[in-house]
Amino acid sequence: DAGVIQSPRHEVTEMGQEVTLRCKPISGHNSLFWYRQTMMRGLELLIYFNNNVPIDDSGMPEDRFSAKMPNASFSTLKIQPSEPRDSAVYFCASSPPYLGPTDTQYFGPGTRLTVL
Amino acid sequence: KQEVTQIPAALSVPEGENLVLNCSFTDSAIYNLQWFRQDPGKGLTSLLLIQSSQREQTSGRLNASLDKSSGRSTLYIAASQPGDSATYLCAPSGGGADGLTFGKGTHLIIQP
Repeated sequence: DAGVIQSPRHEVTEMGQEVTLRCKPISGHNSLFWYRQTMMRGLELLIYFNNNVPIDDSGMPEDRFSAKMPNASFSTLKIQPSEPRDSAVYFCASSPPYLGPTDTQYFGPGTRLTVL
Repeated sequence: KQEVTQIPAALSVPEGENLVLNCSFTDSAIYNLQWFRQDPGKGLTSLLLIQSSQREQTSGRLNASLDKSSGRSTLYIAASQPGDSATYLCAPSGGGADGLTFGKGTHLIIQP
């Protein structure tokens, strides 16, 4: 398997523009997670889905952020309008069903977002 | 809300030394605890996972211990090598398919 795939790997945009980050989870995984990593706050959970349904979006910083999972193979994280403080690395992770005490999440390589 | 603290924030040691990375967490009602490694510009790789019923877990030169009641975990790296240079993250899990709560990590540099 190719692992979790994220695109683009790097994104540079100007303040006010819409940004869409994409994620393809590992085939067969039914949970998907979006995280954001900054120097100040570390790695934070934004939202996660189970069987394509959003379960907890309490980590989404504000209404400018939205996430969708239209099918088991694809998810997007959208920021509209973007602001300089949104600059961070955004990670997507997925995990398999029937999660037991030894199951873990598998992380993608991340998207480095820079908002000028 | 779970809070995770990792000490030290950064560590630089010569090759060959044994070292200990520390992690503390505020909510001891955890399902398991994982240690991840992050290389610059890369995603996270799971190194070790300790179930809440376990005290320690070993993989090669790595040994992780868990004291759930006191909210502490340590990662022991034996005979460190330059290839061990990375950021190490601790993540206790509340269970099921919940998202993970991470510490800010320990940035480790092993000098050749």
